[in-house]
Amino acid sequence: DGGITQSPKYLFRKEGQNVTLSCEQNLNHDAMYWYRQDPGQGLRLIYYSQIVNDFQKGDIAEGYSVSREKKESFPLTVTSAQKNPTAFYLCASLSGGQRTGELFFGEGSRLTVL
Amino acid sequence: DQQVKQNSPSLSVQEGRISILNCDYTNSMFDYFLWYKKYPAEGPTFLISISSIKDKNEDGRFTVFLNKSAKHLSLHIVPSQPGDSAVYFCAASANNDMRFGAGTRLTVKP
Repeated sequence: DGGITQSPKYLFRKEGQNVTLSCEQNLNHDAMYWYRQDPGQGLRLIYYSQIVNDFQKGDIAEGYSVSREKKESFPLTVTSAQKNPTAFYLCASLSGGQRTGELFFGEGSRLTVL
Repeated sequence: DQQVKQNSPSLSVQEGRISILNCDYTNSMFDYFLWYKKYPAEGPTFLISISSIKDKNEDGRFTVFLNKSAKHLSLHIVPSQPGDSAVYFCAASANNDMRFGAGTRLTVKP
C-alpha cells in the first residue's frame, strides 16, 4: 500500500545527543515536509523540500537539519543545538500538481529528551 | 509570526447541530486553503480544500467558505456527529509552502 512511513514511533534521547528521524514515502510525491506539534501551538513548519537536493527552512528550522538525496526519503536530524526538542514530529508529502495539493501525513514520531 | 490563526482552541456542540470552525490568515499570497482532522497520536488527515478563486466548496456534510477580502475561512459541519470529535486544523498554502493554524478541538455531544 502507498503511504508515508515514519520511524521510530517513540524515541528517547539524552541531552547533547543528535538524533535522526526517518521519513519514507512510496507515493511518488515530489514535495516533502517536516512539522513539529506542541500542545496549543498546532503544527509548525521545520523544513520542506520541493525536489531532490533542495530544501527550504520553515518557521522553526534552528537546531534541525535535513537532507533530500532521494525522492522517497526526507530524514530530519534533531541536533544538540535544538533547545527544546521534546515534541511530536510529523512528516508529510504533497499530492497533486503544483500549488493545489493536499498533504499526506505519516503517523508521527514522539521524541522525548531525558 | 503565525500566518494562520485559529482563535478558538475548543468548540462544543450538540449532536445534529451545526459546527462552525473559523480560521484567519495574514499572508495575501496564500492561494489554496485546506482543513485537516486529527486524532491523538496520529497524523492529520485531509478533509476538504478550496482554491482562492472560489468562495465555497461542499463535500457531503462539510462545507468550506472563503472570504478573501477578510482573509477568513470557515468550516461548517452539518449535521454534527459524535464521530466528528477531533482537532481540526486550518492550513494555507502559497507555492507549496503550507502553514497550519493552532487547531480547534471539536467535541460533539450525543
